[in-house]
Amino acid sequence: GAGVSQSPSNKVTEKGKDVELRCDPISGHTALYWYRQSLGQGLEFLIYFQGNSAPDKSGLPSDRFSAERTGGSVSTLTIQRTQQEDSAVYLCASSLYSRGSYNSPLHFGNGTRLTVT
Amino acid sequence: QKEVEQDPGPLSVPEGAIVSLNCTYSNSAFQYFMWYRQYSRKGPELLMYTYSSGNKEDGRFTAQVDKSSKYISLFIRDSQPSDSATYLCAMYLGSGNTPLVFGKGTRLSVIA
Repeated sequence: GAGVSQSPSNKVTEKGKDVELRCDPISGHTALYWYRQSLGQGLEFLIYFQGNSAPDKSGLPSDRFSAERTGGSVSTLTIQRTQQEDSAVYLCASSLYSRGSYNSPLHFGNGTRLTVT
Repeated sequence: QKEVEQDPGPLSVPEGAIVSLNCTYSNSAFQYFMWYRQYSRKGPELLMYTYSSGNKEDGRFTAQVDKSSKYISLFIRDSQPSDSATYLCAMYLGSGNTPLVFGKGTRLSVIA
């Protein structure tokens, strides 16, 4: 079946511009996650959506970062006024049940590689 | 001390070798343990998922959890060049609405 789909796969932008990254989770998955992966830094949690609950935004690094999930499905991560330190791979994942649930591992997309020049 | 420690490698082994990848963790409340494999320019894919202490085997892969030592391992038997990837451990607390915590990953190269 279809996995998690992310677009674009690569994005090059100039410092100060806004960018939008899109994630289409696996159909029927209730939970959606955004992570950031920088070289040598591992996976950094950004934000978590579960059903109609308020999202957990505790991982967002600054107020330039925001995300929404429309209709419980597609999600968009927006970075305003991009900085060079925002350059990273942004990974989206979904899971069938809420995080921490038994037997509900994360399924990842292939990420968007963002380069801020 | 970080919550999850994982040697970043790189680890280079000859084809056919047995590979041992390890993570240690500090929070004894972690209950669910996972291993993900990540190929270059791809997202992580789930390899193994374990709950309790002990071993779980799937083909050439064995995941081992030792909660008393707060130590988890992934063994790869008869390693193949196609196993060359970065391996990330990850773990959840047993309760509560908290994020999955990842190790930084170990980069493995299997040389033909």
